[in-house]
Amino acid sequence: AQSVAQPEDQVNVAEGNPLTVKCTYSVSGNPYLFWYVQYPNRGLQFLLKYITGDNLVKGSYGFEAEFNKSQTSFHLKKPSALVSDSALYFCAVRDNRVGYNTDKLIFGTGTRLQVFP
Amino acid sequence: GAGVSQSPSNKVTEKGKDVELRCDPISGHTALYWYRQSLGQGLEFLIYFQGNSAPDKSGLPSDRFSAERTGGSVSTLTIQRTQQEDSAVYLCASSLAVQRAYEQYFGPGTRLTVT
Repeated sequence: AQSVAQPEDQVNVAEGNPLTVKCTYSVSGNPYLFWYVQYPNRGLQFLLKYITGDNLVKGSYGFEAEFNKSQTSFHLKKPSALVSDSALYFCAVRDNRVGYNTDKLIFGTGTRLQVFP
Repeated sequence: GAGVSQSPSNKVTEKGKDVELRCDPISGHTALYWYRQSLGQGLEFLIYFQGNSAPDKSGLPSDRFSAERTGGSVSTLTIQRTQQEDSAVYLCASSLAVQRAYEQYFGPGTRLTVT
C-alpha cells in the first residue's frame, strides 16, 4: 500500500533562514513524488515533482526537493525563507508501475510552515 | 488560461438535505479528481474519472456520495441525505492525463457546512 508521512505538524523558521519540510513515503514500485502548497482559503498549488533523473528537483518560488531512495524521503527545502512562504504544505506520492491499479495520488497530512519576520 | 473552477464556493445546508457540487476542469484535461479536506486533516481521495473509462469510486465514504462527469468535462458530486460529518472542503482537480507523471491542478474548493 502507498503512504506518505509528514512527521511535523508545524515548522517555524525565521525569515532569511533555510527551511526544510520533511516527507517520507512508502510504495511498492518506484515513486512519483509531488509537493503542493495551500494558502489560506485557496486550493492547492503545484510546487514541484520528482519523476526520474536528477535527485534534486527545482520548483516554483525558489523551492527545491531532494529525492533520497535509500531513506525513502523527499524533503522540501528553500535556502532563504520569506514571510510570504507561510502556508500549508502537502507531500504526495504515486506508484509508477504501469498497469498497477494505483492511480490515486496519496497525500500526507500536511505541514504548516510559519515564517517569522 | 482558465484554471479549475468550482461552484458554489460555500454551501450551508440542513442535515438530511441533498447537495450538488460542481467542477469545471481545465479545458483539454482528461482526468478529473474529487478530494475532501476536513478541518485539520489531509486530503481524502473520493473518486476520479479518466476519459470514457469507468470511474475509480474506491474513495467514496458511503453510498450517499455519487459523482458523474458529463461529456468528459464538467463533473457533479452529489451528497444525499447530508450528515454533519460531511462538513468539509471539497476539492476538485484535473490533469492532462491519468498517466502518473502528470501533476494535478486544483480548484479553490467548495466549503460545505451541514447544520
